Amino acid sequence: KNQVEQSPQSLIILEGKNCTLQCNYTVSPFSNLRWYKQDTGRGPVSLTIMTFSENTKSNGRYTATLDADTKQSSLHITASQLSDSASYICVVSSTSGTYKYIFGTGTRLKVLA
Amino acid sequence: ETGVTQTPRHLVMGMTNKKSLKCEQHLGHNAMYWYKQSAKKPLELMFVYNFKEQTENNSVPSRFSPECPNSSHLFLHLHTLQPEDSALYLCASRGTSEAGELFFGEGSRLTVL
Repeated sequence: KNQVEQSPQSLIILEGKNCTLQCNYTVSPFSNLRWYKQDTGRGPVSLTIMTFSENTKSNGRYTATLDADTKQSSLHITASQLSDSASYICVVSSTSGTYKYIFGTGTRLKVLA
Repeated sequence: ETGVTQTPRHLVMGMTNKKSLKCEQHLGHNAMYWYKQSAKKPLELMFVYNFKEQTENNSVPSRFSPECPNSSHLFLHLHTLQPEDSALYLCASRGTSEAGELFFGEGSRLTVL
């Protein structure tokens, strides 16, 4: 069964601290993995995409990693800011003739001053 | 601004009302999606349209009726809804690259009384 699991479900950190969010997946065939940021009451916005051959990709203070062998990805946020408070959703795409998107439940991050 | 516009942003309706959600994309994409997002659950696919044709209906109850008059517009007609249908309804369009990125609108927050 295609599945994406994220941990932790929620996280509270102090402004300026780093944090790492986890995503484990069992999706086949694998096409790519995206991390989306969703502010409260808004639509998800793509942060980064990882393909099978990529191990690490950065987007400002966000760094995503992918281990295709263990089927794990992480999103590391450096020097967190109050504006990082949001839900972070891991989405794995599977393209075998048609596009399929398998969504995780997300990690809700709250950054405190 | 993601190029996908949803209206209304908020909607409150009684169980006997008839209302519609609208989605418009200005990105030149040919595939559009409706998703339902409930608290603590992954995004739930409802419908997919490719080139105005419905290609996927994820066993959605008939009280939800989609309409896609052209590749830029997507509607979700609502009638005799139940309180458990209260959720955030997200529209997305799929990019034309092989990566197939989904671009989401801001969502329509629906409350059924």
